[in-house]
Amino acid sequence: GAVVSQHPSWVICKSGTSVKIECRSLDFQATTMFWYRQFPKQSLMLMATSNEGSKATYEQGVEKDKFLINHASLTLSTLTVTSAHPEDSSFYICSARDLATGANVLTFGAGSRLTVL
Amino acid sequence: AQRVTQPEKLLSVFKGAPVELKCNYSYSGSPELFWYVQYSRQRLQLLLRHISRESIKGFTADLNKGETSFHLKKPFAQEEDSAMYYCALRGGGATNKLIFGTGTLLAVQP
Repeated sequence: GAVVSQHPSWVICKSGTSVKIECRSLDFQATTMFWYRQFPKQSLMLMATSNEGSKATYEQGVEKDKFLINHASLTLSTLTVTSAHPEDSSFYICSARDLATGANVLTFGAGSRLTVL
Repeated sequence: AQRVTQPEKLLSVFKGAPVELKCNYSYSGSPELFWYVQYSRQRLQLLLRHISRESIKGFTADLNKGETSFHLKKPFAQEEDSAMYYCALRGGGATNKLIFGTGTLLAVQP
């Protein structure tokens, strides 16, 4: 079945630095990927829709200059948290849909835990 | 606006008891509803979706447009059902955006 891989699974960084998280669809192509954020014991909040070859679509309240998204190929989307601060510490999860199946089902990555000191 | 409401944060039942996880939605068009499950230390995965009208691991969910609900049910809970359950809604359009409810933690006691 479809597999979505995220890297790194866990990253710790100092305040003020930038962190890049990768999301890859391993055995399928995805023109669209979705980035979610999950706080401890809370639900997933959609941050943005990553579109291959074009600009990402951000949800209301999400700073596009803070969370840079690049979807350079049909199998890779990256989320860069710029000038990270402790309040950006969270669990970031990406998802993608295998267009080939025709099913309207999203496959999720295992998530990337960001801790900003 | 799209909204998914799961009123219960925690549902604790004994093994063998019936389970109903509530989900209500708000959407003006024709929605697609899903249930996703997250077992301990595992990634989020699809449990079932309303268009399939299938039973997965003994769970079923029926879309009730009149009540705007998509409750998840299982007649006899098992300990391995303990997990976090999220109801999700996909509205119309080409973006395939999925909006999640706040989730319900199901704890099945032995």
